[in-house]
Amino acid sequence: DQQVKQNSPSLSVQEGRISILNCDYTNSMFDYFLWYKKYPAEGPTFLISISSIKDKNEDGRFTVFLNKSAKHLSLHIVPSQPGDSAVYFCAVLVGNKLVFGAGTILRVKS
Amino acid sequence: NAGVTQTPKFRVLKTGQSMTLLCAQDMNHEYMYWYRQDPGMGLRLIHYSVGEGTTAKGEVPDGYNVSRLKKQNFLLGLESAAPSQTSVYFCASSGTWGGGNEQFFGPGTRLTVL
Repeated sequence: DQQVKQNSPSLSVQEGRISILNCDYTNSMFDYFLWYKKYPAEGPTFLISISSIKDKNEDGRFTVFLNKSAKHLSLHIVPSQPGDSAVYFCAVLVGNKLVFGAGTILRVKS
Repeated sequence: NAGVTQTPKFRVLKTGQSMTLLCAQDMNHEYMYWYRQDPGMGLRLIHYSVGEGTTAKGEVPDGYNVSRLKKQNFLLGLESAAPSQTSVYFCASSGTWGGGNEQFFGPGTRLTVL
């Protein structure tokens, strides 16, 4: 059973608007969450993370929100830019290892 | 710094053939990982290492072996390749373990097993 779920395989957004990528997890004991971004033919790169002691973390245009009661986190990108078009993976730290979701393809249209 | 590099970038094997994928990092990281990425499944951990001379199984270790003889290198071996091992393989490294762990990934190796 998947411990981390990204239920939207793809998302299309107009340049300048907000992109919201969602992720659900199964275990309320998970306490550290990360987002990675991946371009075609490249490896994933770390984007932003959040600890369970927080409910929000910002880094420039990227903000991650954590809703522990719903076991849900989301990544907001404002404003979206064409260069943000990529696959976004949500990941959770389980013990000493990262468990990834299946990814969401974001397309930002200019 | 080159970061994390992987060799080769592409490879086609026939069923039953063997091969070794090489991962190298120049960041003096203690921890190294091998993942595979398949459509609709994200990245899954195959094996990992917490330091030179150590290895441990991840989520999907069957059919693979690894070795970490030098701190900077992590090798992934396929002794008898199967079509189910067709995938994109990513190596990663990190300098810490646990919260705050940022893993740095290589560019990937695309393997096709016929």
